[in-house]
Amino acid sequence: AQSVSQHNHHVILSEAASLELGCNYSYGGTVNLFWYVQYPGQHLQLLLKYFSGDPLVKGIKGFEAEFIKSKFSFNLRKPSVQWSDTAEYFCAVRRITGKLIFGQGTTLQVKP
Amino acid sequence: EAGVVQSPRYKIIEKKQPVAFWCNPISGHNTLYWYRQNLGQGPELLIRYENEEAVDDSQLPKDRFSAERLKGVDSTLKIQPAELGDSAVYLCASSSRGERGHTGELFFGEGSRLTVL
Repeated sequence: AQSVSQHNHHVILSEAASLELGCNYSYGGTVNLFWYVQYPGQHLQLLLKYFSGDPLVKGIKGFEAEFIKSKFSFNLRKPSVQWSDTAEYFCAVRRITGKLIFGQGTTLQVKP
Repeated sequence: EAGVVQSPRYKIIEKKQPVAFWCNPISGHNTLYWYRQNLGQGPELLIRYENEEAVDDSQLPKDRFSAERLKGVDSTLKIQPAELGDSAVYLCASSSRGERGHTGELFFGEGSRLTVL
């Protein structure tokens, strides 16, 4: 069965620290990849997505993610986090004709 | 542009009682999804609609859950009777079909938090 694994369940960083959240998936075919974010008290919203082309994709608020096909990974990065980045982050994978499957999420807490 | 609207935001019921959730997707979005999110976990798909047709309901517990999307717009998700394990956030999302098929980007509502006592 297709699965999505997020390595870190809870991450605590100080402001200005660099962030990398890991995401691996198990499906070997063509996939679309996403990172969603859920800020406290708000709904899930798209951070960035990869469909094809340049494997390094840039999203909103300075986030970027790199698709490494050989490693079945789509890690999320940000060079310098802010307190306002405190949120829950979800990696999601979708086969071309399949449903969107989410990882279990990573809670990021940024200390001011 | 209005987002995905869900109601109620919160619902507390006793076990064995029925409950219903309502979703109004973004105008023009023909695909509608219901997800369930348990505490500390990612959303799990319950059912996906293409217009009025349920095209993926393999994860919907059909003995107690039902859903409908009349006229291909609003949708309701019902649980009858509710069990303690149904406590979760029920998320509705919608998406549009791009030139190559689905855009893949889902727009989520704020969710309906159900507590079953």
